[in-house]
Amino acid sequence: KNEVEQSPQNLTAQEGEFITINCSYSVGISALHWLQQHPGGGIVSLFMLSSGKKKHGRLIATINIQEKHSSLHITASHPRDSAVYICAYFTGNQFYFGTGTSLTVIP
Amino acid sequence: NAGVTQTPKFQVLKTGQSMTLQCAQDMNHEYMSWYRQDPGMGLRLIHYSVGAGITDQGEVPNGYNVSRSTTEDFPLRLLSAAPSQTSVYFCASRRRGAGEKLFFGSGTQLSVL
Repeated sequence: KNEVEQSPQNLTAQEGEFITINCSYSVGISALHWLQQHPGGGIVSLFMLSSGKKKHGRLIATINIQEKHSSLHITASHPRDSAVYICAYFTGNQFYFGTGTSLTVIP
Repeated sequence: NAGVTQTPKFQVLKTGQSMTLQCAQDMNHEYMSWYRQDPGMGLRLIHYSVGAGITDQGEVPNGYNVSRSTTEDFPLRLLSAAPSQTSVYFCASRRRGAGEKLFFGSGTQLSVL
């Protein structure tokens, strides 16, 4: 069964804090995607990674394919990072999504 | 490139009415898909297409119809709207291949009264 679990569901942080969002999945995959959904509703792709670590600005994504686990880290968080973060993978012509982590960063 | 263009942004229907959500992409993507997003649930796949003339059902296809007559367009039809179809709908596309990113439309907020 294709399952994607994210934790925490909700996260509130003070500006400047280091944030970690976790994603676990149940099947073998070749790549994992991290998406960001803005408060206005738009969804953009942040990362696609198949091994190790990727960095884009203050965002860092890591994956351990053997343990079926990925993390998204945000360093020096800022109120503009407030969004829902979603992990997903693609298999059998379909994407499977986590339910998302809602992040609020307070000034 | 405009990316993925989805219309309308908002729609209110009465039970039993039909409508079509439009989705177009100008990136020559083979794969196109429709999702619905409900509170507390992840994005769920309604229908998808891997190329012109080819469509297939996703997790929640009942009450929806799709067609793919061109590479660019992938409309979603609600045949007879029901209150259970009140949701936010997203169209998305990507190139074929395991490592390709998914590009989303801006979403349609649909209310069925």
